[in-house]
This record gives sequence, structure tokens and C-alpha cells, in this order.
Amino acid sequence: DIQMTQSPSSLSASVGDRVTITCRASQSISSYLNWYQQKPGKAPKLLIYAASSLQSGVPSRFSGSGSGTDFTLTISSLQPEDFATYYCQQSYSTPFITFGQGTRLEIK
Amino acid sequence: QVQLQESGPGLVKPSQTLSLTCTVSGGSISSGSYYWSWIRQPAGKGLEWIGRIYTSGSTNYNPSLKSRVTISVDTSKNQFSLKLSSVTAADTAVYYCARDDYDSSGNWFDPWGQGTLVTVSS
Repeated sequence: DIQMTQSPSSLSASVGDRVTITCRASQSISSYLNWYQQKPGKAPKLLIYAASSLQSGVPSRFSGSGSGTDFTLTISSLQPEDFATYYCQQSYSTPFITFGQGTRLEIK
Repeated sequence: QVQLQESGPGLVKPSQTLSLTCTVSGGSISSGSYYWSWIRQPAGKGLEWIGRIYTSGSTNYNPSLKSRVTISVDTSKNQFSLKLSSVTAADTAVYYCARDDYDSSGNWFDPWGQGTLVTVSS
């Protein structure tokens, strides 16, 4: 199994802050990395696919980068609606897809 | 736009079989080159991919669940289904269905159903 480890597990930030969440793979996964946002009681929503491609309709303040084993999701200027839990997901070993454990982004 | 909706019993007894159906609307389940996946999330925990099906009927399952999982598709009803046998309390979770899109850049899930809570309890 490819293990995905996110850091931090939780994060407190303020509206307007720039925030970075990291995802590390247990082996190289090239750019086969996606990011999702999940709000309480809701299904996850795709934000970024293929490490850096912004899903249609997702605000441009979200961006992704990285390749190999280390990836980041950056929110350039936090908005109130961005407080949620974020998950990374690898598809290098498709169909045996795995997710990170999640990063909870809370209001400071 | 394509929408997905899970349905099925919210309560299943231990050792019995969990059965859920995902109904796809706004498009044909057979159109395009998509897989259709099931994913689950225990309360307060992360996401676990269960398995997927192509409209040809080809399936892939998570090795940790493979012995207990069956995913099937009914293209005439625009639905795909999940069966998980011999359930225990550890199978209590919100179950999501999702479209599994892919190209040379990998696989990703979009859109997702709203999710349905299944509790395993006597």
C-alpha cells in the first residue's frame, strides 16, 4: 500500500491568512495526487487533480504543487467558507487508491 | 450535470449483508469512460476506497475488503450497487458513491453522492 501522510493534522488560521497543507507519499507517485475539501455533514469536493490542475468552478485562491513524494495545497487568502477538512488522495497505484488522514482547518 | 444519490437501509444487523444502491441522474451511467466507485468514512475518521465498477461490469476491490464486497451495475436503471457481507460494528460508516474519472494524469472522484449513514447494530 502507498501510505499518504498529511501535516499538520489540524491547523488554526484567520480569514485572509495564507495557508499551506502538506501531503507526503510513502513512495514516489509522480503527479498522481488529488486534493478534496470536506465540510461537516457533506461529501468531499474535488479541488485539485493531477497535483496542480484546478477543478472547474474552484476559486483560484486554491493551488496545488509538488511531484514525487511531497505535495502542497495552498490557500492564498483564507475565506470564511474555506474552514473545512482537506484530504489528499493518490492514484499512482490505481485502482488501489488511498487517502491521507485529513487536515482540519479551523478558525483562529 | 451528473448527480449521484445513495439509498438503502440505515441499520444492518451484525453478520448480515449491507446493501446500497447509487442512482445516477443527469446523464447516462454508460456514457463516457468512467468508473463508478464506493467510498466509506467512519464517524470522525478518514476516507476508505471500497471498490469500483466499469459499465462493462469489470470490477476492482480494496484488498482489505475484497472477500466481502460485491459491486454490480444495472445500466437499464442507471444504477450501481454495493453489497458487503458479514458486517460488524467496524463497518459502521457513511457510505458514498462517486464517479471515478481518469485520464493519463490519474484517477479522481467527482462528483460524489451526499452519503448515507449505515449503522451495524443488533
